[in-house]
Amino acid sequence: DAKTTQPTSMDCAEGRAANLPCNHSTISGNEYVYWYRQIHSQGPQYIIHGLKNNETNEMASLIITEDRKSSTLILPHATLRDTAVYYCIVRYNQAGTALIFGKGTTLSVSS
Amino acid sequence: DTGVSQDPRHKITKRGQNVTFRCDPISEHNRLYWYRQTLGQGPEFLTYFQNEAQLEKSRLLSDRFSAERPKGSFSTLEIQRTEQGDSAMYLCASRAGPSTDTQYFGPGTRLTVL
Repeated sequence: DAKTTQPTSMDCAEGRAANLPCNHSTISGNEYVYWYRQIHSQGPQYIIHGLKNNETNEMASLIITEDRKSSTLILPHATLRDTAVYYCIVRYNQAGTALIFGKGTTLSVSS
Repeated sequence: DTGVSQDPRHKITKRGQNVTFRCDPISEHNRLYWYRQTLGQGPEFLTYFQNEAQLEKSRLLSDRFSAERPKGSFSTLEIQRTEQGDSAMYLCASRAGPSTDTQYFGPGTRLTVL
C-alpha cells in the first residue's frame, strides 16, 4: 500500500468547513483512498472512499486531484463532535488485507 | 454503534496473568480483524479471520497471543503471561465480504498491565 502524509494537527471553528489534506504521491492506479476517523476512546469509523472521481456522502466529501497524488477530505459544517483523529489510508480494494494506519491528523473543532 | 461489540471494555491485570477478550462482529460479516493501538499511534494489525479460518497473522502477534473464531461467529483473543508492554487498546473489526472493503470497528478493550 502507498504511503500517506498528513499534517499532525488542524484547528477549525464550529460551523466552518474543515479541509483535511493527504498526500499520497506513490499511489498506484488500482489503489483507493479511504478515510476513517477515531473519536477519543472509540474505535475507528469509516467516513468515505474513492478511486478517481470526487465522492460525497452524508458525512463528508472527498476531492482527489487529477494526478491522484493528493486528496482532501471536506467536512462542510464542522461541529464539536467532529473533533477526532482523521486517518487517510491508501489501499487496494481486495479481500482480506488489513488497514494500515499512520498517525493521522488530529482535528480540533472549537466554538 | 457500529454493531460490533467487544467485552470487556476495560481490563486491569497484573503482569504474568492471562487475559481473554471477546469480539462479536456484525452477524452477516464473515471477515474479522484484530488490531492493537498504543497511545498516540494508529491501530496496528494483529490477525485476520475469514469465517473460522485464521488467514493472516502479523509479526506483532507473539507466541503469547492466540486468537480463535470457532464456528465463524464471535472471536476471542487471549494473551498469556501478560507484560507491561501489552498495555494497549485492542480493537476488533468486521467486514461483509469481497464486494465491500469497509471495516466496522468495535469500541475496543482497554488493557492495563500493572
